[in-house]
Amino acid sequence: QVQLVQSGSEVKKPGASVKVSCKASGYTFSSYAMNWVRQAPGQGLEWVGWINTRTGIPTYAQGFTGRFVLSLDTSVSTAYLHITSLKADDTAVYYCAREEMTSITLKVWGQGTLVTVSS
Amino acid sequence: DIVMTQSPDSLAVSLGERATINCKSSQSVLYYSNRKNYLAWYQQKPGQPPKLLISWASSRESGVPDRFSGSGSGTDFTLTISSLQAEDVAVYYCQQYYSTPPVTFGGGTKVEIK
Repeated sequence: QVQLVQSGSEVKKPGASVKVSCKASGYTFSSYAMNWVRQAPGQGLEWVGWINTRTGIPTYAQGFTGRFVLSLDTSVSTAYLHITSLKADDTAVYYCAREEMTSITLKVWGQGTLVTVSS
Repeated sequence: DIVMTQSPDSLAVSLGERATINCKSSQSVLYYSNRKNYLAWYQQKPGQPPKLLISWASSRESGVPDRFSGSGSGTDFTLTISSLQAEDVAVYYCQQYYSTPPVTFGGGTKVEIK
């Protein structure tokens, strides 16, 4: 079945970096764009950006440029979110989500990865 | 960017009663050439990722109970749960995909049992 499986929770100190993975299965990876969404504790959904899985070209929301990097390893059908210079307010659950072909709706989601930034 | 505003922030409804959630976009999400509204609704239960319920403002995803319905056009939209069930307790989000990037979500509406 179609699924996205993300890497496990992370606890990092301020200034460190983290790389979250999202492994796709059950479909042709390069046929669907991958989006990333952040959800801070008790807060709503915030779109981080998306990556074209054919070209590897990412697009970021304002506020997620510079320290946030989206990448792919198509050989293992995996998307990555790399965050550098972590700050306390990066603490959140990060989701990957597959974009549908005919609309920018997010039907298939990973289970989420909690990134905690604390000294 | 298109700003999505939901109301109310939360609501408590008795089992079997109707729940109504509103979503307003800062500009129209209706694409005139195909007459489609680029608006989706998601349900998020505690500890789970969001689940897509409705796309194109009113098109229910496969497997979504028919007590869930979406309506509206242009800038004003509504998600209705016709007869609230215990399993419907969740936070509901609207999302526009008319003008991207960025994809934008509403702030969410928490539905509880009265």
